[in-house]
Amino acid sequence: DAGVIQSPRHEVTEMGQEVTLRCKPISGHNSLFWYRQTMMRGLELLIYFNNNVPIDDSGMPEDRFSAKMPNASFSTLKIQPSEPRDSAVYFCASSSEIAYEQYFGPGTRLTVT
Amino acid sequence: GIQVEQSPPDLILQEGANSTLRCNFSDSVNNLQWFHQNPWGQLINLFYIPSGTKQNGRLSATTVATERYSLLYISSSQTTDSGVYFCAAARGSYIPTFGRGTSLIVHP
Repeated sequence: DAGVIQSPRHEVTEMGQEVTLRCKPISGHNSLFWYRQTMMRGLELLIYFNNNVPIDDSGMPEDRFSAKMPNASFSTLKIQPSEPRDSAVYFCASSSEIAYEQYFGPGTRLTVT
Repeated sequence: GIQVEQSPPDLILQEGANSTLRCNFSDSVNNLQWFHQNPWGQLINLFYIPSGTKQNGRLSATTVATERYSLLYISSSQTTDSGVYFCAAARGSYIPTFGRGTSLIVHP
């Protein structure tokens, strides 16, 4: 199995630009999670999906953040417009069920200048 | 939700030493995971261990669910063991809660 795939691995953009992060979960997994990690705040859960449906987006920091899961093999996290404080590593993880073992992707390191 | 606490927050070892990392959780769990975040930032699954004991090479883990803790043992530590170790616990159908991690540095 290829594991969880994320793209891009690194993204550098200017403040005000739109950023789209992509994730392909492990085939057969029903749950998908988006996390953000910073030195100050540690690992934060932003949103998670079960069977392609968003279950809890209370961790999404602002309306500038949105996430979609149009099918079982693809999800996006979009930031529009981006700000310097959005700079972080964004991880996607998947599991066979919500409470089961999670597997993380390699992360996307986002830098907003 | 579940509260997860890890100790110690920081640990510095000499290569070859053994160590024990602890994860306490506030309620009964049916999912307990240990992860290693290496210096390159990758989060690697170490153990899925809601109860009992498992071993993988120099690493082993024990979860005592009735007493609400899990331990991660690292024997004969190597510099490649450096990084942050996270535990994550879940109860019922709730999503896992992560601890804040133990930062480990192994000196040669």
